[in-house]
Amino acid sequence: DQQVKQNSPSLSVQEGRISILNCDYTNSMFDYFLWYKKYPAEGPTFLISISSIKDKNEDGRFTVFLNKSAKHLSLHIVPSQPGDSAVYFCAAGNTNAGKSTFGDGTTLTVKP
Amino acid sequence: KAGVTQTPRYLIKTRGQQVTLSCSPISGHRSVSWYQQTPGQGLQFLFEYFSETQRNKGNFPGRFSGRQFSNSRSEMNVSTLELGDSALYLCASSFGLDWGNEQYFGPGTRLTVT
Repeated sequence: DQQVKQNSPSLSVQEGRISILNCDYTNSMFDYFLWYKKYPAEGPTFLISISSIKDKNEDGRFTVFLNKSAKHLSLHIVPSQPGDSAVYFCAAGNTNAGKSTFGDGTTLTVKP
Repeated sequence: KAGVTQTPRYLIKTRGQQVTLSCSPISGHRSVSWYQQTPGQGLQFLFEYFSETQRNKGNFPGRFSGRQFSNSRSEMNVSTLELGDSALYLCASSFGLDWGNEQYFGPGTRLTVT
């Protein structure tokens, strides 16, 4: 049973537009959520996180929204830039229960 | 501060052999986790070590094992390799066991089993 799902394997947007990446989870015990970005031939890098006590966290062009009732989170990138083209992984877990569970990733392509 | 390093970066082995991968965490980080990434499977958690003790383990067969040394460096071993073990193996370090600590990943070791 996959506890963290990214249902869109890929997303393509035009430069300057908004990119919205989605993630669903099933475990109601998850209380911390993170997004990582991965370029080819590199390991994932931490992008932004949110705890379950918040419903929004913003860092520059990146905003993560959490809807606990729907068990859904999303990452908004505004405006999208070609350098944002990468695989984005959603991760979730419980603070007291070890390391995170990752989704399968969404490949974002930002076209110039 | 140097990042997480993994050696070797690429490895080709044949079925039945065993392999050992190495990971050096960021200085001061005591937690090291290992992940397997295969196409379409995301990042699958293998295990986590903290202070030379395995603290968490994912759903992988016993052929996958690891250890951590007193300097926090970690090794992962896979015995009796199978074709399905071909993957990118990622190591990640963090300061502590608190799940909220974001992890810092190394570039990975690309293992190909033929």
